[in-house]
Amino acid sequence: GIQVEQSPPDLILQEGANSTLRCNFSDSVNNLQWFHQNPWGQLINLFYIPSGTKQNGRLSATTVATERYSLLYISSSQTTDSGVYFCAGYNAGNMLTFGGGTRLMVKP
Amino acid sequence: KAGVTQTPRYLIKTRGQQVTLSCSPISGHRSVSWYQQTPGQGLQFLFEYFSETQRNKGNFPGRFSGRQFSNSRSEMNVSTLELGDSALYLCASRVYNEQFFGPGTRLTVL
Repeated sequence: GIQVEQSPPDLILQEGANSTLRCNFSDSVNNLQWFHQNPWGQLINLFYIPSGTKQNGRLSATTVATERYSLLYISSSQTTDSGVYFCAGYNAGNMLTFGGGTRLMVKP
Repeated sequence: KAGVTQTPRYLIKTRGQQVTLSCSPISGHRSVSWYQQTPGQGLQFLFEYFSETQRNKGNFPGRFSGRQFSNSRSEMNVSTLELGDSALYLCASRVYNEQFFGPGTRLTVL
């Protein structure tokens, strides 16, 4: 079955709006990370968050490992936040497994 | 500290050719992993090397191979290229469980 699942697949926001991206993962996945893929394809590390809550500027993330989900919050979105957001975790074979991503477009 | 670097950044090849991609990890990182990203399959794990030994391998045909050198730099080779090998190839190095990615090599097979 699907090991890492992200929702929504697509999201369009007006600049200044807030959003929540969700990542559900199976019980064989752990050590979750969030990435932002920029228009040139590079994956930028946002958070390494196996559990708990972290904040970095306008972004914050929470992972509830016991309930197998993680949330990425983006506040006061900017056009530069556009791109694809991925969550990923290690599966039972110790291979990093990615979700399908959330494609975010922030309109000015 | 310099990030993960990959060369070349762009590559165009024809079917049947072979290609070698290079990755230099962050200084001090001994683990290097390779991933393939395509629109249809998303991001998929290819293999991981640690201290010159392949530690894990994803579900890819034997045409995909790799190696790691004593300075932790890694190369990935794809032989007998197929159209479906057109993709963004990403390399990552890690310390403990956090991975850091390079800018990728975009391969186009004609």
